[in-house]
Amino acid sequence: SQTIHQWPATLVQPVGSPLSLECTVEGTSNPNLYWYRQAAGRGLQLLFYSVGIGQISSEVPQNLSASRPQDRQFILSSKKLLLSDSGFYLCAWSVQRTSGRTYNEQFFGPGTRLTVL
Amino acid sequence: SQQGEEDPQALSIQEGENATMNCSYKTSINNLQWYRQNSGRGLVHLILIRSNEREKHSGRLRVTLDTSKKSSSLLITASRAADTASYFCAWNAGGTSYGKLTFGQGTILTVHP
Repeated sequence: SQTIHQWPATLVQPVGSPLSLECTVEGTSNPNLYWYRQAAGRGLQLLFYSVGIGQISSEVPQNLSASRPQDRQFILSSKKLLLSDSGFYLCAWSVQRTSGRTYNEQFFGPGTRLTVL
Repeated sequence: SQQGEEDPQALSIQEGENATMNCSYKTSINNLQWYRQNSGRGLVHLILIRSNEREKHSGRLRVTLDTSKKSSSLLITASRAADTASYFCAWNAGGTSYGKLTFGQGTILTVHP
């Protein structure tokens, strides 16, 4: 069966410090991968998605970047954190597009709660 | 909102009652999905309904989709205290969207024992 891991679970960082959040998926190959941010327990905002190694698309301009060094590894980074980067970060995966151009559900990791002070 | 919305924002009911949450969106879609989130946790997929479907059931869950009105509803029947959570709809535009989802703002459901 497939599983998705995120770490760390919680993180408190000072403004201006770097950030690295990691997400790994097991039990599947060549997944689509996604990074979301959730503020105040409300809706999720898609930050980045990736359809393959080294292929990253950014959805919103921001202080963050993403990388996919391996097929099942997705990393969210920042060189200098801002207060506004605080939030709950969720990684998700889905299977690649099936025939007929249909898409499937996404499976979410447990999330990382980031507090920037 | 630019993308869509959910209502109500919060819903408080007694155990055994039914809970209905509504979702509206503004674009054409490939599918619409409903997710559940317990406080401080990741999201759990509940049900997916494709654009050519009108109704889908899964246990105590019933989802409807009206593409002409660009709306969907999630009905939870015979609610339980364990159903207390936030519920989100999310839609996929299809085409070259690479499975990307746009999420509604969610409904916070509280079921009192």
